[in-house]
Amino acid sequence: DGGITQSPKYLFRKEGQNVTLSCEQNLNHDAMYWYRQDPGQGLRLIYYSQIVNDFQKGDIAEGYSVSREKKESFPLTVTSAQKNPTAFYLCASSPVQGEGDTQYFGPGTRLTVL
Amino acid sequence: SQKIEQNSEALNIQEGKTATLTCNYTNYSPAYLQWYRQDPGRGPVFLLLIRENEKEKRKERLKVTFDTTLKQSLFHITASQPADSATYLCALTSNSGYALNFGKGTSLLVTP
Repeated sequence: DGGITQSPKYLFRKEGQNVTLSCEQNLNHDAMYWYRQDPGQGLRLIYYSQIVNDFQKGDIAEGYSVSREKKESFPLTVTSAQKNPTAFYLCASSPVQGEGDTQYFGPGTRLTVL
Repeated sequence: SQKIEQNSEALNIQEGKTATLTCNYTNYSPAYLQWYRQDPGRGPVFLLLIRENEKEKRKERLKVTFDTTLKQSLFHITASQPADSATYLCALTSNSGYALNFGKGTSLLVTP
């Protein structure tokens, strides 16, 4: 999983609660990304960040929030406004933001809302 | 709208044969295309990147072709092994240029 850690691996949440997923990388990469994957579906982009203190919404940002206070860290908060939060969440990073950059993925966090 | 389409049905092949996976796309003008492997419950792992001016690229038993006229990439695994069983994802850079869009992936099962 190449220097990217995500925690926890499994997370259970009650409806109406916010929860924060951790993502840390020690690869000195500038860009970081959050994806969501549902069974039988492709990866969908939630948020991405090209540089510290800056981030942009992806295709499905509603109900999620992020911060990028440090280069190494890009936590994702799943808020109670997210209607269907149960999914597999993947964090990734790439060395230089821009075209062609290979992405390195973490092991993922599986979130289940009870 | 932009679409990336991969074989939705799982591909089952016998060990030693060549597996061929297809990726078709619409409404992209990609400078390059990437292939990733994903095992169940794990994050994708990068395999190969091919640029628009490259017709073919090889890495060990893997071969990728890229036809920008047909808007298609083919991914081949020669002399397949049971350990090659996984889901393979095709990815293109989004029009924003800052993130990847992924296909849904094709599941490959190699049986002894």
